[in-house]
Amino acid sequence: AQSVTQPDIHITVSEGASLELRCNYSYGATPYLFWYVQSPGQGLQLLLKYFSGDTLVQGIKGFEAEFKRSQSSFNLRKPSVHWSDAAEYFCAVAPGGYNKLIFGAGTRLAVHP
Amino acid sequence: DAGITQSPRHKVTETGTPVTLRCHQTENHRYMYWYRQDPGHGLRLIHYSYGVKDTDKGEVSDGYSVSRSKTEDFLLTLESATSSQTSVYFCAILREGPMNTEAFFGQGTRLTVV
Repeated sequence: AQSVTQPDIHITVSEGASLELRCNYSYGATPYLFWYVQSPGQGLQLLLKYFSGDTLVQGIKGFEAEFKRSQSSFNLRKPSVHWSDAAEYFCAVAPGGYNKLIFGAGTRLAVHP
Repeated sequence: DAGITQSPRHKVTETGTPVTLRCHQTENHRYMYWYRQDPGHGLRLIHYSYGVKDTDKGEVSDGYSVSRSKTEDFLLTLESATSSQTSVYFCAILREGPMNTEAFFGQGTRLTVV
């Protein structure tokens, strides 16, 4: 079945540590790929997106993501996490265009001082 | 800010009553979406619209209907609310552009069905 998988429900890291959040999808062709962040009680904010071209994309707030076609993955990374990064992160895919934007279940990030 | 307003922001209703949520945009975008957010499920697409009177079902459309009679408004209706429809509902619009297409979300409506 077509799906978006975020294997980690909760992740805790120390402030200043590096971060990688995983995302895998199971669509036949390469979809458009996105990462969103949601702070408590807030709406969703786009961190970055991939349509085509360079497989390493830079986003806001120091985040980057790498698309790996062979692994059907689009993992989010940040070299040094700040306490303000504590939030929930969602991977999303738009298979075959924008008629449907499908989300993963999310990864909740906690940051220890 | 993409000019998206959801109303109401909070609502408590009784089982069996009809409920309508409104999403209003100020930028005349073609695509509009309704999602529900539940713990452990992320956001799940309920219905979407690609123009006036043009709508289609998403992943979890049972128990919901939508209407779009004007470009700026996308209404989500629960004909007979059930407790399983207690959730946070998000509306989104798609701002289209060459290599710059992006979805923007409203602030959400928290619906409680008692």
